[in-house]
Amino acid sequence: DVKVTQSSRYLVKRTGEKVFLECVQDMDHENMFWYRQDPGLGLRLIYFSYDVKMKEKGDIPEGYSVSREKKERFSLILESASTNQTSMYLCASSLLQNTGELFFGEGSRLTVL
Amino acid sequence: GENVEQHPSTLSVQEGDSAVIKCTYSDSASNYFPWYKQELGKRPQLIIDIRSNVGEKKDQRIAVTLNKTAKHFSLHITETQPEDSAVYFCANSGAGSYQLTFGKGTKLSVIP
Repeated sequence: DVKVTQSSRYLVKRTGEKVFLECVQDMDHENMFWYRQDPGLGLRLIYFSYDVKMKEKGDIPEGYSVSREKKERFSLILESASTNQTSMYLCASSLLQNTGELFFGEGSRLTVL
Repeated sequence: GENVEQHPSTLSVQEGDSAVIKCTYSDSASNYFPWYKQELGKRPQLIIDIRSNVGEKKDQRIAVTLNKTAKHFSLHITETQPEDSAVYFCANSGAGSYQLTFGKGTKLSVIP
């Protein structure tokens, strides 16, 4: 069974703080993704990575950055958290480009006060 | 970028009835169309997918149909059961793309 683990299920941060969301997958998948989920807006792609040290912007990259130093780990960074970044963040991985099943983590619910 | 419209946003059906969720897309190069189910408090999981060289695919009580000419695809659930209650997301991607574009989701409620 593929396992995608997000380090924090719930976080509360203050405006301006730097926030790290960590994601680890155990199936040697090439591709990893960070999505943001908000009610009525579905899943929106923030960033993705198809290889170590590679990253590509998704649909809503503003205010975020990512790091992929190792194949199994993909981190989402909020350099200076803002209240409009309060959301559920979902990490996912996939083996295949384009037609591969996405395996999601449990999600990290971030509240920025 | 690609735009995926999903309807309806909410759907209530009686147990045993059928449910249909429809998605339309804009990118004619799209060739992969998955559907994900997200139960309350849980992660989204793939339930069925279809590729552009196939018009219909079935898996027990669920089926997906694709009309490439009209650029829409639909999820059909027959004989609905309370455990089908969840949020369903359609998605698509184009050839050579790593990126799935998701619809906004449909909250399905199956009333016992």
